[in-house]
Amino acid sequence: AQRVTQPEKLLSVFKGAPVELKCNYSYSGSPELFWYVQYSRQRLQLLLRHISRESIKGFTADLNKGETSFHLKKPFAQEEDSAMYYCALRPSGGSNYKLTFGKGTLLTVNP
Amino acid sequence: GAVVSQHPSWVICKSGTSVKIECRSLDFQATTMFWYRQFPKQSLMLMATSNEGSKATYEQGVEKDKFLINHASLTLSTLTVTSAHPEDSSFYICSASPASGGSYNEQFFGPGTRLTVL
Repeated sequence: AQRVTQPEKLLSVFKGAPVELKCNYSYSGSPELFWYVQYSRQRLQLLLRHISRESIKGFTADLNKGETSFHLKKPFAQEEDSAMYYCALRPSGGSNYKLTFGKGTLLTVNP
Repeated sequence: GAVVSQHPSWVICKSGTSVKIECRSLDFQATTMFWYRQFPKQSLMLMATSNEGSKATYEQGVEKDKFLINHASLTLSTLTVTSAHPEDSSFYICSASPASGGSYNEQFFGPGTRLTVL
């Protein structure tokens, strides 16, 4: 069975401060990991995926298979980063496999 | 980019009636669509996986007779909540995967449908 754990339900930081949203996973096979973001009153959208190894909006995430983690980081948070962030996992092999989401972390960036 | 629409965006119905929610992929074909349910300030819970031309696969605990899913074409899947009750009130979200599949293809999410059962 696949499981995604986001230990922090709420995270509040000040503008310009570093931010790290934690994500741990449990899966016996080879996983694909994703971070999705949901801004207020908007649909869920993909922020980044581990296979792309890219930085989006200043965010990065590194898959650590030893620690089974995929933490999302940004060195300097901005107010517009305030949103709900979901970590998600799916088995490697294709987009037709189901995603398993964590419970989400609500990030608030204060001015 | 790929766009997924849902209709209606919100619906209010009386207890005991049935409600149909449509999910459409507007600019791509989707062999697979997923239906999720999201409670306020909570995560998305997968309800079922819908494959074009075949029966949907429901997650454990989801009543297939209550949540009827039809994926009749490569661009349309419908979720019908039958004999709705107040506890069915929720935010229903669909996502669609392009027909070409592959690891680099993502799921695209619809804007969601807010169902309120009185």
